[in-house]
Amino acid sequence: NAGVTQTPKFRVLKTGQSMTLLCAQDMNHEYMYWYRQDPGMGLRLIHYSVGEGTTAKGEVPDGYNVSRLKKQNFLLGLESAAPSQTSVYFCASSPGELALHFGNGTRLTVT
Amino acid sequence: RKEVEQDPGPFNVPEGATVAFNCTYSNSASQSFFWYRQDCRKEPKLLMSVYSSGNEDGRFTAQLNRASQYISLLIRDSKLSDSATYLCVVNNYGGSQGNLIFGKGTKLSVKP
Repeated sequence: NAGVTQTPKFRVLKTGQSMTLLCAQDMNHEYMYWYRQDPGMGLRLIHYSVGEGTTAKGEVPDGYNVSRLKKQNFLLGLESAAPSQTSVYFCASSPGELALHFGNGTRLTVT
Repeated sequence: RKEVEQDPGPFNVPEGATVAFNCTYSNSASQSFFWYRQDCRKEPKLLMSVYSSGNEDGRFTAQLNRASQYISLLIRDSKLSDSATYLCVVNNYGGSQGNLIFGKGTKLSVKP
């Protein structure tokens, strides 16, 4: 049972490049989330989804887009990366408004 | 007042010590409370949920005080392996659905 799997684990981008982070969960959870974690800022919610085909904005959505075409996958896109998006990104899932299960994280550097 | 506030620490304690962390929250309608543990460069992991009556899991005890809007975590007989950052998490009931608010964490370092 893999739980929550994020790919890639590391990535370096140049300013203006685009990329997609993939999150997959095998626990049949309805809710999925994308967070970013920066030193001194704690975890901040970017976007979340309460079910297949639905998405909603979190605290810091600007510069990111998401899609939840399949229940088990939640994709986070950066259309034009900026240095301010250098961060550690965590995906999480939950069966409802309950405790979250996190993936291992993606370390992204934008130069 | 920030939504979820924690003392960032670090708390430096010797093995065997008892240590307590507090966390205050601003949304009086919040219904769900959790403590997570995060090791350096790792993902957060659920340590325990916090129930109204208080709950205990081995050396760990969590308490909720709704009147004063804070939760606490007590660790007894600290082990070296308890060294980590402890995150307080509160649901933002009445706000965005499914939105859990994380505190910035309290860092604990247990020394031999």
